[in-house]
Amino acid sequence: ILNVEQSPQSLHVQEGDSTNFTCSFPSSNFYALHWYRWETAKSPEALFVMTLNGDEKKKGRISATLNTKEGYSYLYIKGSQPEDSATYLCASYQGGKLIFGQGTELSVKP
Amino acid sequence: GAGVSQTPSNKVTEKGKYVELRCDPISGHTALYWYRQSLGQGPEFLIYFQGTGAADDSGLPNDRFFAVRPEGSVSTLKIQRTERGDSAVYLCASSLGTGSNEKLFFGSGTQLSVL
Repeated sequence: ILNVEQSPQSLHVQEGDSTNFTCSFPSSNFYALHWYRWETAKSPEALFVMTLNGDEKKKGRISATLNTKEGYSYLYIKGSQPEDSATYLCASYQGGKLIFGQGTELSVKP
Repeated sequence: GAGVSQTPSNKVTEKGKYVELRCDPISGHTALYWYRQSLGQGPEFLIYFQGTGAADDSGLPNDRFFAVRPEGSVSTLKIQRTERGDSAVYLCASSLGTGSNEKLFFGSGTQLSVL
């Protein structure tokens, strides 16, 4: 199992700020990179599944990019809202299963 | 339809006791995964099933941990002689298959506390 790293570990922003965080993953034998959002007292939910180098995905105010050659993905949130407060997890597909990073905990203050 | 169901939602036990954690996946999902999440960490892979068989149990920390899925649906994670270090949130997830683009659908987790 090869490590997946996320940064920063936590982030505090004001409502309306745009923000981004990073996921680093093994670039060799790449298959897919997943992003999940985990809100307090709920279950993690899939945001994006990304498979191609240069891929860009968007869902409302949230978007993600993928660089498989250098092994990183960025998640962007435009105009953060309090309801965006959650832990954002990325995961690399390795050997039939997802290996998760430690997550970035986002807190958006009104 | 119903999502992934995990029971119990909370389990408090004493060191040395045996516990069972149950996961009921989404109907029709052939793949089932167990993860463990400790405070400040991401979900740590434990084991996954494709149908009834354990396809990869390399994440089980030691032989006190065991999981079954006898009929290819419900799975039980069993922990013998629990230790305080076993305290964590145990997450179960299911997916249609084990392909790289298959999204996982998670349950709400079981918070295990070993006193």
